[in-house]
Amino acid sequence: DVQMTQSPSNLAASPGESVSINCKASKSISKYLAWYQQKPGKANKLLIYSGSTLQSGTPSRFSGSGSGTDFTLTIRNLEPEDFGLYYCQQHNEYPITFGSGTKLEIK
Amino acid sequence: QVKLLQSGAALVKPGASVKMSCKASGYTFTDYWVSWVKQSHGKSLEWIGEIYPNSGATNFNEKFKGKATLTVDKSTSTAYMELSRLTSEDSAIYYCTRGYGSYHVMDAWGQGASVTVSS
Repeated sequence: DVQMTQSPSNLAASPGESVSINCKASKSISKYLAWYQQKPGKANKLLIYSGSTLQSGTPSRFSGSGSGTDFTLTIRNLEPEDFGLYYCQQHNEYPITFGSGTKLEIK
Repeated sequence: QVKLLQSGAALVKPGASVKMSCKASGYTFTDYWVSWVKQSHGKSLEWIGEIYPNSGATNFNEKFKGKATLTVDKSTSTAYMELSRLTSEDSAIYYCTRGYGSYHVMDAWGQGASVTVSS
């Protein structure tokens, strides 16, 4: 199985700042990396897939980059609603696997 | 809009089975894969497997073969997952999701169903 290592586990930032979350695959997954947001009381949300393609409805302050084994989710100009848990997921091969998550908190 | 409405929380005894449901609305149920994902308390997400409602074809994470059974009822646009021989390790929140095209990503999620295994 492809192991996904996500960092950092926790991140604190203030509204208006920019942050980056990293995801590293144990082997090449080409461009097939997705990012999700999880918030209490809300359905999990697909933000980005295929490394950098924004899902419909994802604000443009979100961007994804990377290929092969190393990927980054960047959120520019943080909004209050951006705080929550973020997970990466490889969608290159079965079984689908997720990273361990990054908790983005308000500083 | 696309909605996946899952059944409620379940408290089940060790060794028993549990069957949960996921009712889809807002799209053509038979055109999209339905995946199931496990989230143990405070932990990350694990993909259990997926089913294509139109044909009943399935793909599973090897870890969950023999543990999870996936079925659908096309007449009611409902997907089901049954978990068997439950242990405390099966206590978790289980999500049903809709697969987005051929990408094996999940563009809609249910609200989650909590399963607690306890005597």
